[in-house]
Amino acid sequence: AQSVTQLDSQVPVFEEAPVELRCNYSSSVSVYLFWYVQYPNQGLQLLLKYLSGSTLVKGINGFEAEFNKSQTSFHLRKPSVHISDTAEYFCVYAGNNRKLIWGLGTSLAVNP
Amino acid sequence: EAGVAQSPRYKIIEKRQSVAFWCNPISGHATLYWYQQILGQGPKLLIQFQNNGVVDDSQLPKDRFSAERLKGVDSTLKIQPAKLEDSAVYLCASSLGQGPADTQYFGPGTRLTVL
Repeated sequence: AQSVTQLDSQVPVFEEAPVELRCNYSSSVSVYLFWYVQYPNQGLQLLLKYLSGSTLVKGINGFEAEFNKSQTSFHLRKPSVHISDTAEYFCVYAGNNRKLIWGLGTSLAVNP
Repeated sequence: EAGVAQSPRYKIIEKRQSVAFWCNPISGHATLYWYQQILGQGPKLLIQFQNNGVVDDSQLPKDRFSAERLKGVDSTLKIQPAKLEDSAVYLCASSLGQGPADTQYFGPGTRLTVL
């Protein structure tokens, strides 16, 4: 069965430190991958998406993710986080059946 | 450009009561989604509309949940009767196309508490 796994439920980090939120997906012939963010008391919004082409995807607010087919991963990174990045982050995957599968989320807490 | 609108933002009801949620998508978006997000979990798709037709309702508990999208614009989701396990945030989203590659734009959600 197609699945997506976010390896960390919570990630605490200090302001201005780098961060990586990890996401693995089940292997498929073709994949679409997304990262969505949910700020406190706000709706979900798209950070970035991989459909095809370059494996390094740049998104909003300085985030980027790398599609790694051999490791079936799509980790999200930011070189220096701000307090305002505190939010819930969701990795979303669509495999051969093109149905979106949402991860359970990673709660990023940026501390001063 | 106005975003996806949802109302109410919060609702508290007792079990066995009925409740309805309303969603107005971004103008021109053909596809509308309803999701259920239980605390600590990712959103679960309940139903997907393309214009006013249903594309996917495989995870909608049809014995108690119903949804409609009259005229292919705004939509209502109803629960009747509600159960304790229906406590969740109900999210509405819309997209221009219906494929998984299309970006979905989400509303603020309706937080439902069933007592």
